[in-house]
Amino acid sequence: NTVMTQSPTSMFISVGDRVTMNCKASQNVGTNVDWYQQKTGQSPKLLIYGASNRYTGVPDRFTGSGSGTDFTLTISNMQAEDLAVYYCLQYNYNPRTFGGGTKLELK
Amino acid sequence: QVQLQQSGAELVKPGSSVKISCKASGYTFTSYDMHWIKQQPGNGLEWIGWIYPGNGNTKYNQKFNGKATLTADKSSSTAYMQLSSLTSEDSAVYFCARSTGSLDYWGQGVMVTVSS
Repeated sequence: NTVMTQSPTSMFISVGDRVTMNCKASQNVGTNVDWYQQKTGQSPKLLIYGASNRYTGVPDRFTGSGSGTDFTLTISNMQAEDLAVYYCLQYNYNPRTFGGGTKLELK
Repeated sequence: QVQLQQSGAELVKPGSSVKISCKASGYTFTSYDMHWIKQQPGNGLEWIGWIYPGNGNTKYNQKFNGKATLTADKSSSTAYMQLSSLTSEDSAVYFCARSTGSLDYWGQGVMVTVSS
C-alpha cells in the first residue's frame, strides 16, 4: 500500500502566521492527492483536490502544491477558524490512503 | 443541495453485525461513487471502499474484505455498509462520502461502539 507520511504531526501557531505542512508518498502518485480539513467533532471537508486545485468556497489563503511524492499545504494568513487537523489523501492507487494528519493548535 | 444523512449511533455486542445507512439527496444518486471511511477515537482516517450505485460495482480495501459489505438501494437513494463479526477494533466513527474523484460531500458520521 502507498504510505502517506505527514509532517509535522502538530504545530503551535498564532493567528496571522504562515503555516506549511507536508505530505510524502511512498511512491509516485502523480498529482492525485487531496487535502481535507477536520475540525473537532465534525466530518472532514475537502480543501484541495488534484494537489493544487482549491475546492469551491475555500479561501485563497489555502494553497496546495507538489507532484510525484512530495506535497505541501500552505495557509498564508492563519485564522482562528483554521484550527483543525489536516489530512492528505492519495487516490492514485487502491487502497486509497490517508496521511496521519497535522494538527494545528494555538500557541 | 447535496446532503448525506447517516443513521444513528449503534451499541452492539462483540461477534454481532451492524448495518449503517447513508441517505443521499440533492443529486443523482446513481451517478457518483459512494465511499466509506473509518475513524477510530483519536485516530486518523482509513479508507474502507466504495460502491457505484448505478450498477452495484464495489471496490474494497483488502483489509476490510470479509469485514465490510457495501450495498445500495437505488429506489431510496441510500447506501449501506454492513460490518460483521464485530470486535473492539471496529469501534469507530464511520463516514460515507460522495466521490467525484475527490470526496466532496461527507455524511455526519455514525459512531459504532462494540461492547458487551
